[in-house]
Amino acid sequence: AQSVTQPDIHITVSEGASLELRCNYSYGATPYLFWYVQSPGQGLQLLLKYFSGDTLVQGIKGFEAEFKRSQSSFNLRKPSVHWSDAAEYFCAVGAWYNTDKLIFGTGTRLQVFP
Amino acid sequence: ETGVTQTPRHLVMGMTNKKSLKCEQHLGHNAMYWYKQSAKKPLELMFVYSLEERVENNSVPSRFSPECPNSSHLFLHLHTLQPEDSALYLCASSLTSGEYTGELFFGEGSRLTVL
Repeated sequence: AQSVTQPDIHITVSEGASLELRCNYSYGATPYLFWYVQSPGQGLQLLLKYFSGDTLVQGIKGFEAEFKRSQSSFNLRKPSVHWSDAAEYFCAVGAWYNTDKLIFGTGTRLQVFP
Repeated sequence: ETGVTQTPRHLVMGMTNKKSLKCEQHLGHNAMYWYKQSAKKPLELMFVYSLEERVENNSVPSRFSPECPNSSHLFLHLHTLQPEDSALYLCASSLTSGEYTGELFFGEGSRLTVL
């Protein structure tokens, strides 16, 4: 079955600390992978995506993610977290050219302490 | 004008009421979506419209009725809802022609509470 697992429901970090949010997927075809962020009271915004090529992708707000096919993972990282990064983060997987089949994870809520 | 606008932002309704959620996109996209977001559950895709034709209906109960009169507007008509339908309903749009980006553009959502 196709699925996305975000094992961490809630993560708390101090401002300035590094961050890694985990995402594992199960998908029968070549996956297209996405990370979205949802700030309180807002809709989801795309942080970054991986379609092909370099397995380390850069996104907005200083985030990056690495695709590891052997581990079926697409973890999101940021070297130094800012208080404004507090939000919920969603990993999603889909097929090529088929946005209406995106499968989302349950999300990881990030809390940032000063 | 922001990219995707949803109204109302908050809605409280009884189980016998009829109400509608509205979504409008100003991005020139040709596909629009309704998602349901409930706590601790993945986003659930409800409906997809591409070029104003419904192309996806994920076994959604008939008490939810979508309408897409043109490529910029999407409605979700609600009637005889149940308390478990309380959730955040998100509208999204995308461009499915030309250069593919795979990106969905979301509105801020309509928070629905069914009493």
